[in-house]
Amino acid sequence: GEDVEQSLFLSVREGDSSVINCTYTDSSSTYLYWYKQEPGAGLQLLTYIFSNMDMKQDQRLTVLLNKKDKHLSLRIADTQTGDSAIYFCAEIGKGGDMRFGAGTRLTVKP
Amino acid sequence: KAGVTQTPRYLIKTRGQQVTLSCSPISGHRSVSWYQQTPGQGLQFLFEYFSETQRNKGNFPGRFSGRQFSNSRSEMNVSTLELGDSALYLCASSLGQGKETQYFGPGTRLLVL
Repeated sequence: GEDVEQSLFLSVREGDSSVINCTYTDSSSTYLYWYKQEPGAGLQLLTYIFSNMDMKQDQRLTVLLNKKDKHLSLRIADTQTGDSAIYFCAEIGKGGDMRFGAGTRLTVKP
Repeated sequence: KAGVTQTPRYLIKTRGQQVTLSCSPISGHRSVSWYQQTPGQGLQFLFEYFSETQRNKGNFPGRFSGRQFSNSRSEMNVSTLELGDSALYLCASSLGQGKETQYFGPGTRLLVL
């Protein structure tokens, strides 16, 4: 089971912004990650954030980190149909293993 | 640089058989981790190998084992297959210096009949 929690589904219209939320458990996590998985494929690293940062922007992607609430979010600006995929939030636990949320299935409607 | 490669991409086995999956990490990466992905349980950590030694282990039965070779390539073995072992098996590589970014391969989809 997952210690990292995410909502399972998100549906947006093309051109809108998408916000995917995640809560994690390990306050000592140094890095927090967002991965994207398209059907039949492995996980593609989208972006990551150091725990001493509040925000990181990378083109259309913005990651916000609230360390006090252990809350991480991924905002995708101008969402496109090609962004339809499952998005996983992940942390590296105390033992060094990577723990994933259940994944949020993003559906982008034209 | 070539990415993480996994072979085979698809595999069909029957209950009771055994299977070996292979993973070649990104050049220069010394750590290989294995994960099982199923619709019911999501992504679960199996184990991590670094310098030919198992460094971390998840909560899976002893039927699941692995090894790593001197060139950092890794294999995962599942013996006495059960229907519930049907899953996507993902391998990820990293430099191996601690808590760091992992890069994933495309996975091997195993179907147990």
